[in-house]
Order: sequence, then structure tokens, then C-alpha cells
Amino acid sequence: AQSVTQLDSQVPVFEEAPVELRCNYSSSVSVYLFWYVQYPNQGLQLLLKYLSGSTLVESINGFEAEFNKSQTSFHLRKPSVHISDTAEYFCAVREYTDKLIFGTGTRLQVFP
Amino acid sequence: DADVTQTPRNRITKTGKRIMLECSQTKGHDRMYWYRQDPGLGLRLIYYSFDVKDINKGEISDGYSVSRQAQAKFSLSLESAIPNQTALYFCATSDPDRNFNYGYTFGSGTRLTVV
Repeated sequence: AQSVTQLDSQVPVFEEAPVELRCNYSSSVSVYLFWYVQYPNQGLQLLLKYLSGSTLVESINGFEAEFNKSQTSFHLRKPSVHISDTAEYFCAVREYTDKLIFGTGTRLQVFP
Repeated sequence: DADVTQTPRNRITKTGKRIMLECSQTKGHDRMYWYRQDPGLGLRLIYYSFDVKDINKGEISDGYSVSRQAQAKFSLSLESAIPNQTALYFCATSDPDRNFNYGYTFGSGTRLTVV
């Protein structure tokens, strides 16, 4: 079965600093990978996804993630974070049956 | 109106009570899912349904049941609530056949507390 590991449960950073949220997956077949964001008291929103093609994918608010097949990773990065990026971030892998398997989440806390 | 609507938003119930969480969607998606979120555990799949006649257990279905009343409605029931079912519950939909980005659309969640 596929699984997802998010190595950091919490990541505190100062505003305008770079950040990386780590995600590793296990799968023996082709994967579709996702990052979802959950702002306080809200549901989950799709941030970005890797389906095929270019291994570097970007979101509209400055996040990017790189699919690395050899390292089975899909780390999320942003070169300069803002207070409004404070949220919980979930990495997920899609199984062949269309079920999404989620990681345990990383809480990003941005301080002024 | 939201694409995926969950009711109630918050609920406190007593141990042993039966409770139903409801989910309705206007996306026209065939596939619907129920997840629970617990701190430090992420989201875990309870049940999923790929169409009205197809219901499947997820990884943590014990103590829960579901009903797919129509394409747009998928309800989750706790027959006899217990305190460790206190969690945030999410409903989600998808339709990979028509929406090729394979993303899910989530509701805003139901916060359930069992006392």
C-alpha cells in the first residue's frame, strides 16, 4: 500500500524567510502527488499537484514542489513566506483506486 | 453556496447517542469520501463511495456506517458515539473521469465532540 511521510510536524519561521516542508512517499507504481493547505477553521484546499511532465510544479501564491522519483520525495518550498501562509499543509498520494492517502500534516507558523 | 456542504458545523453529543453527519454536493461528482482528522494523525479515510450503489470501507470504518442517498448526498452515522470519535470530519468529492486534475473538493468540516 502507498503511504506518505511528513517528517516535520511543526515548522516555525520568520516572515520573509525561505521554508521547505518535507514529504516522502512510498509507492511501487506511478504516482500522483498533491499538496493541500488548511487555513485555521477551514477545510482543505488544493495547493498544487504533480500528475506527469515537468517535475517542478508551482502554485499561484508562490509555493513550488519538486517531484524526485529517485528520492521518492515531493518537498514543498517557498523562497519568502508571509504571515498569511500560516496554516497546516498536507501531502497526499493518489492510489490507483482514486483514494487519496494523506500524510500527518505540517503546521507552518510564520512569525513577524 | 459552497460546492460541498456539511451539516452540522459543530456538534456536541453524549456517549452512546446516535448521530448523523450529512454531506451534500453540487459538483455533480460521482465519488464521495468521509475522512476524519485528528491532531498529529492527519486525515484518515472512513468510507468512500464511487457511485450510488457502491460503498466501500476505508482504513478506520469500525463504529461508523454510511448511506449514499443520491449522487449528491452521502451521510455518515455513528450508531453509538464514543469519546474517541471526537474529531474533525470532512466530506470530499472527486470525479476523475470528467475532471482530469484528480483533485478532491472538500467541505468545511464538522467538529464533533463526544462527551
